[in-house]
Amino acid sequence: DQQVKQNSPSLSVQEGRISILNCDYTNSMFDYFLWYKKYPAEGPTFLISISSIKDKNEDGRFTVFLNKSAKHLSLHIVPSQPGDSAVYFCAARTSGSRLTFGEGTQLTVNP
Amino acid sequence: DVKVTQSSRYLVKRTGEKVFLECVQDMDHENMFWYRQDPGLGLRLIYFSYDVKMKEKGDIPEGYSVSREKKERFSLILESASTNQTSMYLCASTHIPQDSPNYGYTFGSGTRLTVV
Repeated sequence: DQQVKQNSPSLSVQEGRISILNCDYTNSMFDYFLWYKKYPAEGPTFLISISSIKDKNEDGRFTVFLNKSAKHLSLHIVPSQPGDSAVYFCAARTSGSRLTFGEGTQLTVNP
Repeated sequence: DVKVTQSSRYLVKRTGEKVFLECVQDMDHENMFWYRQDPGLGLRLIYFSYDVKMKEKGDIPEGYSVSREKKERFSLILESASTNQTSMYLCASTHIPQDSPNYGYTFGSGTRLTVV
């Protein structure tokens, strides 16, 4: 039972344009959502998060939007840069500190 | 700078071998986790621990066990390695959750295990 789903395995955008990565979830008990970024041969690094009581959180070029009624969140990167090319994982938390991750989306930003 | 250190970046083991993957964190975190990453499947939780000598099964514990004798160290054990355990293994740690906007895990760099 995949509670967190990223339906797009890959996304390709041009440098300077907007990247939008999407994530859907099924468990209404999730109280915190996070995005992680992963380069090859490295561990994932925390990017940005949002509490379930919010609908938007912004940090520089990165903005996460949460639509609780649709059980959907998205990560916007504006403007996209070649260094943003990586795998992005959506994650969600229920009780305690355990996170459930999605399958990941490979973002490629072309110069 | 906080660190989660995994002892090996690459490992090649034979089918049937007992394999130990070691993880050490220097942040005094209570919670530690082992995930594996496979293409198309994302990160799947194998085992986790909320305290010394405590362990909980994750989503895919079969074929694995863990040990947490000290707070800073969390070991993943493959009792009898099989080819379907070829994967990237990631260790993570975090503090007891609080209402922090920057809540999240700190991950190690991963161990790429190949079982032949």
